Amino acid sequence: EDKVVQSPLSLVVHEGDTVTLNCSYEVTNFRSLLWYKQEKKAPTFLFMLTSSGIEKKSGRLSSILDKKELFSILNITATQTGDSAIYLCAVDAGGSRLTFGEGTQLTVNP
Amino acid sequence: DARVTQTPRDKVTEMGQEVTMRCQPILGHNTVFWYRQTMMQGLELLAYFRNRAPLDDSGMPKDRFSAEMPDATLATLKIQPSEPRDSAVYFCASGLQGAGRLFFGPGTRLTVL
Repeated sequence: EDKVVQSPLSLVVHEGDTVTLNCSYEVTNFRSLLWYKQEKKAPTFLFMLTSSGIEKKSGRLSSILDKKELFSILNITATQTGDSAIYLCAVDAGGSRLTFGEGTQLTVNP
Repeated sequence: DARVTQTPRDKVTEMGQEVTMRCQPILGHNTVFWYRQTMMQGLELLAYFRNRAPLDDSGMPKDRFSAEMPDATLATLKIQPSEPRDSAVYFCASGLQGAGRLFFGPGTRLTVL
């Protein structure tokens, strides 16, 4: 059975801090790993990673994949209160059928 | 700005009642997924379709849940009879086969009393 594990499950930081969110996976047929951000509504797409070692970056967010060690990290620098959300990691093991981790609840305090 | 739509957005019902949730995927997307989200279980896959054909519904309680795609613009998820443990947010998502990325609808928040 495909498995995605995120850590930490919960994180509280102050504005301006840098955070690193972790995602490890075990799947039988890896295609890609995706990060989503969920505020109070639907998950919204952040990144899709398919190759090891290539960093994807969008503003203060960046992510990288290690296919040998089966994990990915999501970094957020200079955090803002608007970054408060649940960050979901998911793995596509074929056909866009995503298996999600439990999510990391990030709270950024002013 | 293409997006997945879902109705209703909120539903409160009593145990034993039938609940039908509807989803309109993004035009041109050929894969449609139903996910359920609870605090305890996170996002769980219930069922998914490719080109309107059901591919996997192993995540659904078969005796009470059913999912269909009567046409390319409509997916439905039905619960009959509903139970309090079905209370959750139900998300529909669509995508293109092989593209990986899914686009999620706003969800239906179901409360079964």
